[in-house]
Amino acid sequence: ETGVTQSPTHLIKTRGQQVTLRCSSQSGHNTVSWYQQALGQGPQFIFQYYREEENGRGNFPPRFSGLQFPNYSSELNVNALELDDSALYLCASSAAGVRSTDTQYFGPGTRLTVL
Amino acid sequence: KQEVTQIPAALSVPEGENLVLNCSFTDSAIYNLQWFRQDPGKGLTSLLLIQSSQREQTSGRLNASLDKSSGRSTLYIAASQPGDSATYLCAPGGNTGKLIFGQGTTLQVKP
Repeated sequence: ETGVTQSPTHLIKTRGQQVTLRCSSQSGHNTVSWYQQALGQGPQFIFQYYREEENGRGNFPPRFSGLQFPNYSSELNVNALELDDSALYLCASSAAGVRSTDTQYFGPGTRLTVL
Repeated sequence: KQEVTQIPAALSVPEGENLVLNCSFTDSAIYNLQWFRQDPGKGLTSLLLIQSSQREQTSGRLNASLDKSSGRSTLYIAASQPGDSATYLCAPGGNTGKLIFGQGTTLQVKP
């Protein structure tokens, strides 16, 4: 059983560019959540996908968007990058669906730096 | 709106000590609460999950308790080791599966 994987590990972009981050959920998991973690802070919820539909969104602007694929892997897209988007982006998967009573498993994260 | 506070923000102890990390949350309508460990620049490792109907969970030297009505959870680490040095995060989960995190407690265990 493989765990949650994310790619790329690190990424450097310039302000105004667009970025796509990828996440492969743990085998058997149908729910993927994305979090943003600024330096020295706890992770903040961006949105969650359950069976390819967005299910819940945090306080992030529309330029943060996502997708979930039939194999339950997911992408996070950020348009018009701003300096404050520099952060560690974490993906988490779980098996219990929208009312998650199950453990959420996190990937290693993607470190995004916006210059 | 759920708010999570973790105290202390940082802790430095000699090896072998037993210690308690505290987590408080404002909305007691939670489904569960997870404790995570995070090494610098890395992802989160799940340590313990307590369902709202449970009072505590144990894994090895770790014991987490939950008092849902008072909005509190504690993580007890017995016989701390240098390898326990990390940031510990608590996250209550509501009916949407969304986790709300505190800012964490950064623990340093000195040999």
